[in-house]
Amino acid sequence: EDQVTQSPEALRLQEGESSSLNCSYTVSGLRGLFWYRQDPGKGPEFLFTLYSAGEEKEKERLKATLTKKESFLHITAPKPEDSATYLCAALNDYKLSFGAGTTVTVRA
Amino acid sequence: NAGVTQTPKFRVLKTGQSMTLLCAQDMNHEYMYWYRQDPGMGLRLIHYSVGEGTTAKGEVPDGYNVSRLKKQNFLLGLESAAPSQTSVYFCASGDLHFSSYNEQFFGPGTRLTVL
Repeated sequence: EDQVTQSPEALRLQEGESSSLNCSYTVSGLRGLFWYRQDPGKGPEFLFTLYSAGEEKEKERLKATLTKKESFLHITAPKPEDSATYLCAALNDYKLSFGAGTTVTVRA
Repeated sequence: NAGVTQTPKFRVLKTGQSMTLLCAQDMNHEYMYWYRQDPGMGLRLIHYSVGEGTTAKGEVPDGYNVSRLKKQNFLLGLESAAPSQTSVYFCASGDLHFSSYNEQFFGPGTRLTVL
């Protein structure tokens, strides 16, 4: 069964305190691994797509990496505006499977 | 360019009542999707459409119906609401169907409570 698990469920950081979020997946025939950001009361907003193991993508303070079994979202020197829930989703030929998300709170 | 919009934003229903959620997109996307989001669970696909006049079942279709009479609109109906349908509903659209080269664009969500 296709499964996507994100950890931790919640992460509280001090401004400037770098950390990583994990997305582990058991999806046969992975075609892409997506990362989305979701602010409270809003819909998910696209961040990255990763296609193959070893790939990395960066956007401001965020960097996403992919291995054969998991993806990491690294937040470097976070700011309060990085507070959000981060969702990952794994795509194969017939399904897009979402994880439950990691809620990140960055305190000033 | 409004992107994906959803109506209403909030709704409270009593068990057994019916309602329709409206999704509209102005990006001329062929593909549209309805998801539900529950605490501690990932987004789950309810129904989707690969073009005007088409609909298909997703992962959790029971208790819901959909229609895509116009390319820009995708309606989600609850014929007889149940408390288990209390959730936040998101509509999404995209250029390509489940493509790794094209992300889905999401609406702001409808928070539905069934008493």
